[in-house]
Amino acid sequence: EAAVTQSPRSKVAVTGGKVTLSCHQTNNHDYMYWYRQDTGHGLRLIHYSYVADSTEKGDIPDGYKASRPSQENFSLILELASLSQTAVYFCASSDRDEQYFGPGTRLTVL
Amino acid sequence: QQKVQQSPESLSVPEGGMASLNCTSSDRNFQYFWWYRQHSGEGPKALMSIFSDGDKKEGRFTAHLNKASLHVSLHIRDSQPSDSALYFCAVSSNSNNRIFFGDGTQLVVKP
Repeated sequence: EAAVTQSPRSKVAVTGGKVTLSCHQTNNHDYMYWYRQDTGHGLRLIHYSYVADSTEKGDIPDGYKASRPSQENFSLILELASLSQTAVYFCASSDRDEQYFGPGTRLTVL
Repeated sequence: QQKVQQSPESLSVPEGGMASLNCTSSDRNFQYFWWYRQHSGEGPKALMSIFSDGDKKEGRFTAHLNKASLHVSLHIRDSQPSDSALYFCAVSSNSNNRIFFGDGTQLVVKP
């Protein structure tokens, strides 16, 4: 079974602070993704990567940065957290077809 | 503009009943369909994919694709309380690795 882990699982941050969400996969997949899910809504793509040391913008990249230092690790960085970034964040990996999701990180910005 | 429209937004069926979910792609370049299921507090998990016209059956789940209308449906036979979840339809093309998710259908199966 493919494995994607995320840390932390939940976080409370202050407005204007820096937040880093981490994702680790053991699937040997080339593709990794960061999505945002707001309560009761679908998944919106923030950033993705198809190779280490390279990232691409998704549909809602503003206010977020991404880093892919290795095939296994993909981070999402909020340099200046804002109230509107309160959401659940999911990381996923794929080898071109099915996407495998992590358990999510619940981020609350106060 | 969203590439995937799902209906209904929510659905309630009795245990043992049939649940039917719908999905339409608005972009003819995206005609490879996926169904994902997300239980409360968990990440989404792929349920099944369908790329060809017609039916695809996996256990109690049957997907039906009509490529001409870019419409796919998911039918859950003999629904169980454990089927209660948020069901996402997703579409992809064969030219890149992006997939686009709909807003989901919340299914509640009542005992």
